[in-house]
Order: sequence, then C-alpha cells, then structure tokens
Amino acid sequence: GDSVTQMEGPVTLSEEAFLTINCTYTATGYPSLFWYVQYPGEGLQLLLKATKADDKGSNKGFEATYRKETTSFHLEKGSVQVSDSAVYFCALSGDSGYALNFGKGTSLLVTP
Amino acid sequence: GAVVSQHPSRVICKSGTSVKIECRSLDFQATTMFWYRQFPKKSLMLMATSNEGSKATYEQGVEKDKFLINHASLTLSTLTVTSAHPEDSSFYICSATTTVNYGYTFGSGTRLTVV
Repeated sequence: GDSVTQMEGPVTLSEEAFLTINCTYTATGYPSLFWYVQYPGEGLQLLLKATKADDKGSNKGFEATYRKETTSFHLEKGSVQVSDSAVYFCALSGDSGYALNFGKGTSLLVTP
Repeated sequence: GAVVSQHPSRVICKSGTSVKIECRSLDFQATTMFWYRQFPKKSLMLMATSNEGSKATYEQGVEKDKFLINHASLTLSTLTVTSAHPEDSSFYICSATTTVNYGYTFGSGTRLTVV
C-alpha cells in the first residue's frame, strides 16, 4: 500500500540556518503530495502541496519539489526562524476523497 | 478559504461517560470527513472515513461501537467516544474534503482527557 517515510527528528537548528526535511513515498499511480505543519496543541495547517511530477509547492519561504524519479518530496527553507519551530508532516493522497497517508512527523526546533 | 471548526478544543470527562466532538465545515460542503487520532509525539492514525448520509468506514482495529461517527449533513460530522476510559485520552482531529475543489482542511483538534 501507499506509504510515506520522513526523516526522524528532532531537528535542531540555529536561526537563519538552512533546513531540509527528507520525505520519500511509495505509491501506485500518481499521488498528490503535501507538507503540513503542526504547532504545539493545534491542528494541522497545510504548508504546501504538489499534484504532479516536477511541480514545486512553495509557501512562507518553504519549498518542495515533486520528484517522481526519486519518489521524493523534500522540504527546504533557506533561512529558518524561531517561529518555524513545529512538527512537520509529509503526506500523500492517492485520489480525491481518500484519506491522507502521513509520515511520522519531524519535530523542528529553531534556537535564537 | 475553507475552514473546519472543531469543538470542543479541550474536554475532560470521567471514565464511563460519553463525549461528543463536532466538526463543521463553515464555508463549503464536506462530502467526506476523516477522523484521526494522534498519540503524543506520534503521527496521525486514521480512525474512520465518513461520507454524508452513509455509514462510516472504520479502519482495522478501531471499535465502531466505541467511536460513533455521524455525518448527517454536508457541513457537520460528529465523533462520539462512548464509555470513555483513560486509554481513550488522546488528540482527535477531523479533516474534510470536497469533490468540487478537492483539498483537505483540518480542524484544530480536540484534546480529550479521561480521568
């Protein structure tokens, strides 16, 4: 079945450092890929998404490119801020109306 | 944008009682609602999928008689935890999607504590 694997955390970075959180997937067909962010005690917020190969999703300085050849959707940000501290989830969806399949989440802590 | 309102955000209840969690789509019609459970520092576990007007489909290992899901309208889905026990304490999150412009919108979650 479909699955998502993302790097284990926690990831600790200094402010303004470069961030990469790796995500790879296994899926039949052509899934859509998502990154969600969860702040402490809150629900999930969509950070960005890509619906087909070579699409790049971007939002708030974060980017991820849908790479079909490597089945990856790595999240990157050039300069992280303390306010980016949160848990990041990579997810995929096989089709409209189907539940998202989540990775285990990566906790990010950005220190001043 | 699409908003899903989830209530309550926190609830504490006694063992043996039932608790109802509501999720409302405020500005769109949610043809499908998903209910997730999240354990501390863990990922989201899908509990069930419900489509408006039909019975929910539960994931393997989820007790349908304990976690009652109702999706009676296109804007409201409820999850009732019946005869709650401390091991039911968790963070419950709903998510809605629509076939019109499909995307997934999440509620803000409910922290359930059973004492």
